[in-house]
Amino acid sequence: EAGVAQSPRYKIIEKRQSVAFWCNPISGHATLYWYQQILGQGPKLLIQFQNNGVVDDSQLPKDRFSAERLKGVDSTLKIQPAKLEDSAVYLCASSPSGVTDTQYFGPGTRLTVL
Amino acid sequence: QKEVEQNSGPLSVPEGAIASLNCTYSDRGSQSFFWYRQYSGKSPELIMSIYSNGDKEDGRFTAQLNKASQYVSLLIRDSQPSDSATYLCAVNIRGFKTIFGAGTRLFVKA
Repeated sequence: EAGVAQSPRYKIIEKRQSVAFWCNPISGHATLYWYQQILGQGPKLLIQFQNNGVVDDSQLPKDRFSAERLKGVDSTLKIQPAKLEDSAVYLCASSPSGVTDTQYFGPGTRLTVL
Repeated sequence: QKEVEQNSGPLSVPEGAIASLNCTYSDRGSQSFFWYRQYSGKSPELIMSIYSNGDKEDGRFTAQLNKASQYVSLLIRDSQPSDSATYLCAVNIRGFKTIFGAGTRLFVKA
């Protein structure tokens, strides 16, 4: 079974530029999560999708971050414009049905904002 | 009070010893509890999940849950250098969302 795929693996941009990350969850997994993990901290949930609907985006900075999950499969997270404090690893995870399930994480995208 | 708290460590134990990792949570409605291991530069991977009070054992790992005291722990027996990693406690809040703790760094000295 293929795992969660993410791209790119690394990205370096300058502040005020835009960036997009892509995630393809495990086949058949209904729930998809985007996390931000700053060095030395635990993952912080940005947005959670159940199929193609948003369940929780309370911690998503909506003035600059956006996410979509078209057709309930893969997802894109965008930052526009980026700030220095957005430097982090962006993790995508998926679970079979709901939040009580085990989450399976992708390899992450390491973003550096200069 | 943070929703999920862990000692940041680092916790250092000699090879072969028992490592004890603790986690407390604030919401009594929490339903599911998870321990993830994260090696440096890698993504988290599940070690154990526990849903009811008591102990759950899987090989060298034992998860312990006490809902009355609102804590969950992870014991690693016969610790190996390969167990050196950050251990993340994750708590599902009322079936709605999962909150991760900041993690405890574990070093196992050979």
